[in-house]
Amino acid sequence: GAGVSQTPSNKVTEKGKYVELRCDPISGHTALYWYRQSLGQGPEFLIYFQGTGAADDSGLPNDRFFAVRPEGSVSTLKIQRTERGDSAVYLCASSLQMGNEQFFGPGTRLTVL
Amino acid sequence: GQNIDQPTEMTATEGAIVQINCTYQTSGFNGLFWYQQHAGEAPTFLSYNVLDGLEEKGRFSSFLSRSKGYSYLLLKELQMKDSASYLCAVSITGGSYIPTFGRGTSLIVHP
Repeated sequence: GAGVSQTPSNKVTEKGKYVELRCDPISGHTALYWYRQSLGQGPEFLIYFQGTGAADDSGLPNDRFFAVRPEGSVSTLKIQRTERGDSAVYLCASSLQMGNEQFFGPGTRLTVL
Repeated sequence: GQNIDQPTEMTATEGAIVQINCTYQTSGFNGLFWYQQHAGEAPTFLSYNVLDGLEEKGRFSSFLSRSKGYSYLLLKELQMKDSASYLCAVSITGGSYIPTFGRGTSLIVHP
């Protein structure tokens, strides 16, 4: 079956702009996670959804970052007033339930100029 | 918070065995994941250890000692395609079981 998909694969934007990153989890997976990964680092947790609700958003760095999952499937990560420090690969993962093995998408490489 | 430590880089020879260590300090430890990540690709799941001991899965084995806060990933009969970053991640109880990742160990396999 289809794995986790993310769009776009690459996004280049200018400082101060707004961006949206999309994640399509594996069908039937109730848990969805967003991570951010910088070069040479492990994935850094941002936010976790169980169904439609954000069960844990403690990893969001500040209020410029926001994510939604309105129907419990597709999720969108939204970044306002982007800064150069936001440049990273944004990874989405899903799992059948909380605590199970996570399946990662290919990521979106965000570059803020 | 959690503190996860693993070597930055390791090199090994094709056909050999390599052991990648991971130590962690955390409260409320639940389990430990190992993921493989090839350059420019997403992490893929290798193993999840909750109980002490060794779990073998083909050429890859993972060991956990909860009392020592220590795990290792053992790769046998190394192949060139095993060159990748190996990420150790810890999940804790009382929360969302969300894994916290270490920085990863970059393994280079040479002929």
